[in-house]
Amino acid sequence: SAVISQKPSRDICQRGTSLTIQCQVDSQVTMMFWYRQQPGQSLTLIATANQGSEATYESGFVIDKFPISRPNLTFSTLTVSNMSPEDSSIYLCSVDRGRLNTEAFFGQGTRLTVV
Amino acid sequence: GESVGLHLPTLSVQEGDNSIINCAYSNSASDYFIWYKQESGKGPQFIIDIRSNMDKRQGQRVTVLLNKTVKHLSLQIAATQPGDSAVYFCAELFSGGYNKLIFGAGTRLAVHP
Repeated sequence: SAVISQKPSRDICQRGTSLTIQCQVDSQVTMMFWYRQQPGQSLTLIATANQGSEATYESGFVIDKFPISRPNLTFSTLTVSNMSPEDSSIYLCSVDRGRLNTEAFFGQGTRLTVV
Repeated sequence: GESVGLHLPTLSVQEGDNSIINCAYSNSASDYFIWYKQESGKGPQFIIDIRSNMDKRQGQRVTVLLNKTVKHLSLQIAATQPGDSAVYFCAELFSGGYNKLIFGAGTRLAVHP
């Protein structure tokens, strides 16, 4: 298994500002994934972060809005830039467990409210 | 804590009964189908998976059924317990290039004593 810590667990932010969410894993992993979960909805993949290369973004998500860093094999950050109320969501990071990722491990999430 | 499943369809069952949660998927190219459980204030937790070339797989108190003809996935929970109350999501694994999980719609399971 993997233990994943996300910071902050929740935050209330003013529109127009940016928030950086940190994800720390207790072991080295190849891939880290960032998801968004809007209120009452399922999880939507934002991007995949591989150490040493630029993140790969899913359709509808762009680097300028959600820049991601992956400086080493145990850490990643997701920044939500120039926030609006529509960005209010839970943001979750997840880790790859090897060749197959069926048993992914998730952080507890960061609950973001933009006012 | 606040629930992530306030607007999701809800299945209400009595404690001890069996539960069946259903999911329709659209992509036939998935290699694996997976069920995740999400409790309030937590990230999703893996329950069970099934490879696309199988139609049934059993775990402890859970069974996953895959019907590729109608693109339907179901999760059966035997002798449902209060601790099973959560939101359940189906997900598909795409393993080309790099593996990624795509989540489907969720269902809230409410277990009543």
